Amino acid sequence: GNSVTQMEGPVTLSEEAFLTINCTYTATGYPSLFWYVQYPGEGLQLLLKATKADDKGSNKGFEATYRKETTSFHLEKGSVQVSDSAVYFCALTGSTLGRLYFGRGTQLTVWP
Amino acid sequence: GAVVSQHPSRVICKSGTSVKIECRSLDFQATTMFWYRQFPKQSLMLMATSNEGSKATYEQGVEKDKFLINHASLTLSTLTVTSAHPEDSSFYICSAREGPMNEKLFFGSGTQLSVL
Repeated sequence: GNSVTQMEGPVTLSEEAFLTINCTYTATGYPSLFWYVQYPGEGLQLLLKATKADDKGSNKGFEATYRKETTSFHLEKGSVQVSDSAVYFCALTGSTLGRLYFGRGTQLTVWP
Repeated sequence: GAVVSQHPSRVICKSGTSVKIECRSLDFQATTMFWYRQFPKQSLMLMATSNEGSKATYEQGVEKDKFLINHASLTLSTLTVTSAHPEDSSFYICSAREGPMNEKLFFGSGTQLSVL
């Protein structure tokens, strides 16, 4: 079946630190992979995605590479900002369009 | 951009009462709505999928008589937790898809339900 295992938080960093949030998956077929972000009081928003092996998704300085050999999609950012404080969810698609399998979410707090 | 408005954001209720959660798509027609819940330290898990005008499809292990989903219009879907118990305390969140072939999803901000 499909599942996503995401690094347990919370993660606390100082501004300009390097960020990695680990995500691994199990899936049947060839899913698309996503990172969603939820800022306080808001809905989940798509941060980036990758649709096939070796694709790199990127947005707002965040990157993640679809690694089929290690079944991973780790989220990275070279220099975090206070405004990046949020909950980050790794997810993959199921067979139904729009149906997602999520990780548990990782709370990131960035201090000035 | 497209917005899904979810209310209430937080609700506390007594055991045995029913709670209704609403999700409205504000500037698009949500042909499909997905309802998820998240228990502490666990993943967001899909509860059910509803298409406008049809009965919802529930995931295995989710009681359809306890979690009533209504998707009678293209802009409104509701989840009613009937006879809530403390074990139903969870974070509930909806996501909406515009059109059967549109993979883009829009999420509500979630509802934290606490049953005393």
